[in-house]
Amino acid sequence: QVQVQESGPGLVKPSETLSLTCTVSGVSISSSSSYWAWFRQPPGKGLEWIGSIYYSGSTYYNPSLNSRVSISVDTSKNQFSLKVDSVTAADTAVFYCARHWTMASSTRFESWGQGTLVTVSS
Amino acid sequence: QTVVTQEPSFSVSPGGTVTLTCGLSSGSVSTSYYPSWYQQTPGQAPRTLIYSTNTRSSGVPDRFSGSIFGNKAALTITGAQADDESTYYCVLYMGSGIWVFGGGTKLTVL
Repeated sequence: QVQVQESGPGLVKPSETLSLTCTVSGVSISSSSSYWAWFRQPPGKGLEWIGSIYYSGSTYYNPSLNSRVSISVDTSKNQFSLKVDSVTAADTAVFYCARHWTMASSTRFESWGQGTLVTVSS
Repeated sequence: QTVVTQEPSFSVSPGGTVTLTCGLSSGSVSTSYYPSWYQQTPGQAPRTLIYSTNTRSSGVPDRFSGSIFGNKAALTITGAQADDESTYYCVLYMGSGIWVFGGGTKLTVL
């Protein structure tokens, strides 16, 4: 059973960098059928896809966040990570990681983490 | 930028049938957008319901079904139950590795 778990600081100061890690268990992060994705959900609002990464390091980002976001992968630790630069209060959200399963013409986001709330405040 | 549209809210009676839709601010949704649907209750992570238009995720009851309905993707719940009261999100593939969520539909069962 694939499980993912987000970890990282719950409080970040404005203008600083938000850093989160997602630890994957139950499958190798190097699985050929898996990308790995980050999402966020501001309090009381909808879901937003932030970006996805393949184990090779190939990444795709939401154009609205592209300039401030980077996602990386550490295959030796079976983890992938998110960094968001120059955060403001508008970046306060619950952040989720998930598996982005893709095979042939079929694709889905699955095995969602429980989410972690990150608050941007001084 | 293309916006993914969903009804903000919908209501269904217990045992009734409801169809939620997922459209585009410009153009029509087709299977090439790989529409998928996620259910979320307050304080919980999303749950994967339907992917690639009409494939149910493991463990999802067959009262949930997906389709293309006119120029939109659709999620139909047949025989709605009280615990179907949730917010439902669709997400579409826009190409070039980009995915966009709709704003979500808050479904009330009463």
